[in-house]
Amino acid sequence: QKEVEQDPGPLSVPEGAIVSLNCTYSNSAFQYFMWYRQYSRKGPELLMYTYSSGNKEDGRFTAQVDKSSKYISLFIRDSQPSDSATYLCAPRAAGNKLTFGGGTRVLVKP
Amino acid sequence: KAGVTQTPRYLIKTRGQQVTLSCSPISGHRSVSWYQQTPGQGLQFLFEYFSETQRNKGNFPGRFSGRQFSNSRSEMNVSTLELGDSALYLCASSLEAGGPNEQFFGPGTRLTVL
Repeated sequence: QKEVEQDPGPLSVPEGAIVSLNCTYSNSAFQYFMWYRQYSRKGPELLMYTYSSGNKEDGRFTAQVDKSSKYISLFIRDSQPSDSATYLCAPRAAGNKLTFGGGTRVLVKP
Repeated sequence: KAGVTQTPRYLIKTRGQQVTLSCSPISGHRSVSWYQQTPGQGLQFLFEYFSETQRNKGNFPGRFSGRQFSNSRSEMNVSTLELGDSALYLCASSLEAGGPNEQFFGPGTRLTVL
């Protein structure tokens, strides 16, 4: 079993809908939780970074971490076609080693 | 502020050759990590360097090595290339070696081994 599990999708939504993404993890040592967006043939772009449990909001993006259930979520409000990409969750422990989920491909249809 | 840069962007090599990839971190960042991305295995951690010292290493064979220079620039080397080494190689830079700091990725080097 992988340390970080993520549904590969694709997740197809109409423009303007809320996109809901999630990951589960097994390593209790994870303290920092990143979400990256990756467009085809590009490097991952950091979207959100949270520490420990709780919510964090940044514009149209909201990240949630529930350490008790080892569950990470990302919500994208008012989705746009430009949000079509692969979304990667990447938790880490105290060091810098990121452990990536497999990524969820999102398609936002105009 | 300039982002993470990686050179070259594309490489084609043949089996048995070796290759060196370069990464320049964001100015002021002292930590550089390397990742391999393939369709089958996703993004996997290779190693991390901080202040010219390897701090952490992933589960890759000894053919994969790296180093970091005093200006924080890093190189990784793959010797005796195999077909399975074809991948996107990404580097990420961050200010410090751990704790609450963000990591930013470069555009990657796409390596094709024929």
